[in-house]
Amino acid sequence: DTEVTQTPKHLVMGMTNKKSLKCEQHMGHRAMYWYKQKAKKPPELMFVYSYEKLSINESVPSRFSPECPNSSLLNLHLHALQPEDSALYLCASSQDIAGGTDTQYFGPGTRLTVL
Amino acid sequence: AQSVTQPDIHITVSEGASLELRCNYSYGATPYLFWYVQSPGQGLQLLLKYFSGDTLVQGIKGFEAEFKRSQSSFNLRKPSVHWSDAAEYFCAVGGPLTGGFKTIFGAGTRLFVKA
Repeated sequence: DTEVTQTPKHLVMGMTNKKSLKCEQHMGHRAMYWYKQKAKKPPELMFVYSYEKLSINESVPSRFSPECPNSSLLNLHLHALQPEDSALYLCASSQDIAGGTDTQYFGPGTRLTVL
Repeated sequence: AQSVTQPDIHITVSEGASLELRCNYSYGATPYLFWYVQSPGQGLQLLLKYFSGDTLVQGIKGFEAEFKRSQSSFNLRKPSVHWSDAAEYFCAVGGPLTGGFKTIFGAGTRLFVKA
């Protein structure tokens, strides 16, 4: 099974709402990632978790709060977002090998619209 | 600095024609190189990767890529394009010099296939 699942597929929220994005993988991967992708742009790394600990935070605003409850799950909690945060949010996972670089498997993404 | 350049923003080819997508990288050592494909509104799917060994790499869906160290290139090829190949293609580089977990993506090349 090389699948990464993400829910919901689409999300529309107001600027005062609190919502969460969920990501799940059952490949035994110990590294999990959140990316943000704007239209016609490449994915931008937001966060990396390695063995359920936050390893990389690419200076992401605090209105985005990641959480890794266990080795299979990754959440992204959203609060007080801005319209410019509207984007496709992609989750990925990989083996946590020495050096960290390995093939990343991506989920289908959550299309987020902030009104 | 580590970087990836995809010189072509978009390419149009006829169905059945051959395809070559260009990718040039800047990396201070032997890089880990990837090609991903993304259909509209979807996540990224790995086509192929190069870590070491044979410089001609075979991937899924009939794609191949050749690592040329002297030219700092990793071009993607397919001998006969199908209409279903229309998508966005991203070249990416990773490795210890990018911080391990960080994969640097090129800007992408949009492939259009005409009948």
